[in-house]
Amino acid sequence: SQQGEEDPQALSIQEGENATMNCSYKTSINNLQWYRQNSGRGLVHLILIRSNEREKHSGRLRVTLDTSKKSSSLLITASRAADTASYFCATDGGKLVFGKGTKLTVNP
Amino acid sequence: DAMVIQNPRYQVTQFGKPVTLSCSQTLNHNVMYWYQQKSSQAPKLLFHYYDKDFNNEADTPDNFQSRRPNTSFCFLDIRSPGLGDAAMYLCATSRVAGGVGTQYFGPGTRLTVL
Repeated sequence: SQQGEEDPQALSIQEGENATMNCSYKTSINNLQWYRQNSGRGLVHLILIRSNEREKHSGRLRVTLDTSKKSSSLLITASRAADTASYFCATDGGKLVFGKGTKLTVNP
Repeated sequence: DAMVIQNPRYQVTQFGKPVTLSCSQTLNHNVMYWYQQKSSQAPKLLFHYYDKDFNNEADTPDNFQSRRPNTSFCFLDIRSPGLGDAAMYLCATSRVAGGVGTQYFGPGTRLTVL
């Protein structure tokens, strides 16, 4: 299956700390995307990293991609309570396939 | 603001009673998708339209149908909802099909089947 698998399934941290979420997948991809989903809401696109890129930044977000290991990580620096949400990686090998997500809780 | 709108946000239906969920977009995107997301699970693609071309996922039950009368609107019809169809239904759009593209999601419709 192309589906990404996020790790950990749940993460609880204090405000100001960094949060790291990992994603592993099995097949070749065109790009990998990260999305955020607040409870009971739709998904919001965060960042897209292409298969020929190794690292990408967007504000407090840093994404890495290692195609040899078929893995990606999402780092959120200086987390805020508003970052509390589920984070999904989605692999793009012709269609978007989502992983099960990491539920992040940032405690004030 | 350009966006993806889903109506209703919450839908309650009875077992076996047909239901239609709607999605509209102001982004003028070619592609519209329908996903099913059950509690604490990954969104699962049901089907998508590239313009008027309908693409069904192999494992999408026949109970689920879709219509796209024009670029802006797309509907999800569930002909005979079962208890197992209770889920969040997410509509999304993208400028290009599948690869190399960001998808823009609506807020979802939470379907309850009694």
